[in-house]
Amino acid sequence: AQKVTQAQTEISVVEKEDVTLDCVYETRDTTYYLFWYKQPPSGELVFLIRRNSFDEQNEISGRYSWNFQKSTSSFNFTITASQVVDSAVYFCALSEGYNTDKLIFGTGTRLQVFP
Amino acid sequence: GAGVSQSPRYKVTKRGQDVALRCDPISGHVSLYWYRQALGQGPEFLTYFNYEAQQDKSGLPNDRFSAERPEGSISTLTIQRTEQRDSAMYRCASSLRAASTDTQYFGPGTRLTVL
Repeated sequence: AQKVTQAQTEISVVEKEDVTLDCVYETRDTTYYLFWYKQPPSGELVFLIRRNSFDEQNEISGRYSWNFQKSTSSFNFTITASQVVDSAVYFCALSEGYNTDKLIFGTGTRLQVFP
Repeated sequence: GAGVSQSPRYKVTKRGQDVALRCDPISGHVSLYWYRQALGQGPEFLTYFNYEAQQDKSGLPNDRFSAERPEGSISTLTIQRTEQRDSAMYRCASSLRAASTDTQYFGPGTRLTVL
């Protein structure tokens, strides 16, 4: 069965620290997609990144980077030089590549960045 | 606006009443999804549509829940005879293409409270 585990319930850091949010997934399929979404205090869900299972290249976007490792079924998210505006709940999600487009979400990691 | 819109943003109802939640997807988006998010949890899939066809309703918790998208654009999620356990944030998302695990863009959600 599909499953996404975000073991870190809450993380607190001081501004400018680097922080890594862990995501471990389970799926029986060889074709699947992984996502990260941000839920700021205002409550909306903001798309951050989408990766498919055939592309294991790490990705960097500004202060954000993602490390995808199929060998450990992990898709971790790192924020470099964190800022107060990064404070939010971050969700990792999984979707299989065919027959259904539904997303399976983890329980989220609440990140608090203090000035 | 350019994003997914949902109405009402907040709904308070008494147990036993019916409620209808509306979602207006991004213009031109083929697929539309409904999720439910309990406090402190990630969103859970309810159902989704490609155009006007309901493709998967496996996440609807019971027959009090139904959804429609009659003209392939706006969708309505209806909950009949509401119960307190139905209280949650109901989120709608849309994606551009069907059956391709395209990125899902979420609306602001409807917070439903059943008294």
